[in-house]
Amino acid sequence: AQSVTQLDSQVPVFEEAPVELRCNYSSSVSVYLFWYVQYPNQGLQLLLKYLSGSTLVKGINGFEAEFNKSQTSFHLRKPSVHISDTAEYFCAVSGGSQGNLIFGKGTKLSVKP
Amino acid sequence: DTAVSQTPKYLVTQMGNDKSIKCEQNLGHDTMYWYKQDSKKFLKIMFSYNNKELIINETVPNRFSPKSPDKAHLNLHINSLELGDSAVYFCASSQVSGTGSFGPGTRLLVL
Repeated sequence: AQSVTQLDSQVPVFEEAPVELRCNYSSSVSVYLFWYVQYPNQGLQLLLKYLSGSTLVKGINGFEAEFNKSQTSFHLRKPSVHISDTAEYFCAVSGGSQGNLIFGKGTKLSVKP
Repeated sequence: DTAVSQTPKYLVTQMGNDKSIKCEQNLGHDTMYWYKQDSKKFLKIMFSYNNKELIINETVPNRFSPKSPDKAHLNLHINSLELGDSAVYFCASSQVSGTGSFGPGTRLLVL
């Protein structure tokens, strides 16, 4: 069985500061990993994904994530956040033959001026 | 040119009613899904169809019945709505790799 743990439910940070949102997964098979962002009252938008290849993945809006197989982690980072990055961020894993996503419980990023 | 569309976007109804949510994708994907996001923002798979065949049916009350008339459509019918069914329901589609697209969500409120 697969599972995803997002270690922080809330992360407050000041504008222009760096941020890291942590995600750990467990799986007995090879996985694909994803980060989604959900702005208030909006749908889910794909930030970035790891399927194979380079372990450092760059996504939209200046975000990047690093796949670490030995630590079973896929942490999301941004060197300088903006107020507009305030949102809920979800880490997800897909590895079964059905292709469905298993989501973490989300991390609420609050960027303060 | 919307990739995954859902209707309606908002749905407010009384307990005991029956309602349907429709989903369509124009991406040519083989697999479609329904996810539920509860009041705590937790997202969980409900159903998955591959080429009109049900392949995932999580522990969901049998008041929920998905129907896939063709590969591009996956509808969700809910009978005898309960207060606890209030949530946001997301449709999604993907190829086997799991990299898919989500619809905008249907916000269901049961009064």
